[in-house]
Amino acid sequence: GIQVEQSPPDLILQEGANSTLRCNFSDSVNNLQWFHQNPWGQLINLFYIPSGTKQNGRLSATTVATERYSLLYISSSQTTDSGVYFCALRGAQKLVFGQGTRLTINP
Amino acid sequence: GAVVSQHPSWVICKSGTSVKIECRSLDFQATTMFWYRQFPKQSLMLMATSNEGSKATYEQGVEKDKFLINHASLTLSTLTVTSAHPEDSSFYICSAATSHEQFFGPGTRLTVL
Repeated sequence: GIQVEQSPPDLILQEGANSTLRCNFSDSVNNLQWFHQNPWGQLINLFYIPSGTKQNGRLSATTVATERYSLLYISSSQTTDSGVYFCALRGAQKLVFGQGTRLTINP
Repeated sequence: GAVVSQHPSWVICKSGTSVKIECRSLDFQATTMFWYRQFPKQSLMLMATSNEGSKATYEQGVEKDKFLINHASLTLSTLTVTSAHPEDSSFYICSAATSHEQFFGPGTRLTVL
């Protein structure tokens, strides 16, 4: 089945810093999503990005499907960006999640 | 964006009782809904896929008689944890799918005493 690996597993930054989160996957993709799980457990959709680049405010994402990776960029981090970031790919009608990157932004 | 609600947000029950969790897609119709379980500091684990009007498909190792799923309409799916025991304590999250994306409910934290 599809394998999804995220790195780094943990990231601690000061407010205002920039960060790059990586998602590697084992199979070709036609459906990749990035999520942010906030400290209360809610998963928030960030991007649907099977290929190319998208931007939404301070966040942007790039997927290079031919090389089987996706990157999530967070600029000018804020404490509210803390939480766990997951990438997930759809295979056989179900999402396969990576293990997540736990991001902590300190004031 | 699409909104998925989940109720209750938390529940505490005694061992041996049954607990029902509701999942609703509020502004779209979802032919497919999913139920996940998440342990502390771990990723989401898919329990079952629920299609409207048909039986749910359970992942390997998930007891279908323990976790009853009903997808009665295009906007409602329910998960019933039957005869709950302390090991069933967890964070349960539902999700509803459009043609491209999945959207997630806020989760239900179940504690079985």
